[in-house]
Amino acid sequence: AAGVIQSPRHLIKEKRETATLKCYPIPRHDTVYWYQQGPGQDPQFLISFYEKMQSDKGSIPDRFSAQQFSDYHSELNMSSLELGDSALYFCASSLFGGAGSTYEQYFGPGTRLTVT
Amino acid sequence: DAKTTQPPSMDCAEGRAANLPCNHSTISGNEYVYWYRQIHSQGPQYIIHGLKNNETNEMASLIITEDRKSSTLILPHATLRDTAVYYCIVRYNNDMRFGAGTRLTVKP
Repeated sequence: AAGVIQSPRHLIKEKRETATLKCYPIPRHDTVYWYQQGPGQDPQFLISFYEKMQSDKGSIPDRFSAQQFSDYHSELNMSSLELGDSALYFCASSLFGGAGSTYEQYFGPGTRLTVT
Repeated sequence: DAKTTQPPSMDCAEGRAANLPCNHSTISGNEYVYWYRQIHSQGPQYIIHGLKNNETNEMASLIITEDRKSSTLILPHATLRDTAVYYCIVRYNNDMRFGAGTRLTVKP
């Protein structure tokens, strides 16, 4: 079965640079979620989108922005990168993510971002 | 979302059942209990979820107490590949609020 696709899988950037991470959800999934997992930490929710609209917001820094496109893929844009942004970034997708949704989320393999 | 409490680590012998407990004493009536696991920096993997009835699928069983204040994930015949961090999550809305999880080590 098709899974969530994330690209790139690895990314190395320098401080103050920008980065764009991409996520392609499972076919027919209309909701996308982004998570950040620092070294030795648990995944932390950043933001989610349903039908191209932001549906929930977690601990996403102001330097980060994200959007969902008409084909449901999503991009996480990160600017003014800091050393502390080095982490695994996971994208997940699900069916209908409206309020009260109980559909399970399926996670991609992640993008490992290293900021030097 | 309700907070969950899990033991930080557990061991299990290969081939035996692994029973992972989770306390969620502040769970509200419309919140579901979800279980995910993460194997060595891979993306978290969905295992099972339930509201108040016990659930079973090809991976595991979920036992939820009648008062819904706690639950147990059961892996009936643990294998070495089940070594992972297991997360119990209580949710109603979109995002998954991961807590500390239980690091399960399956030993030969």
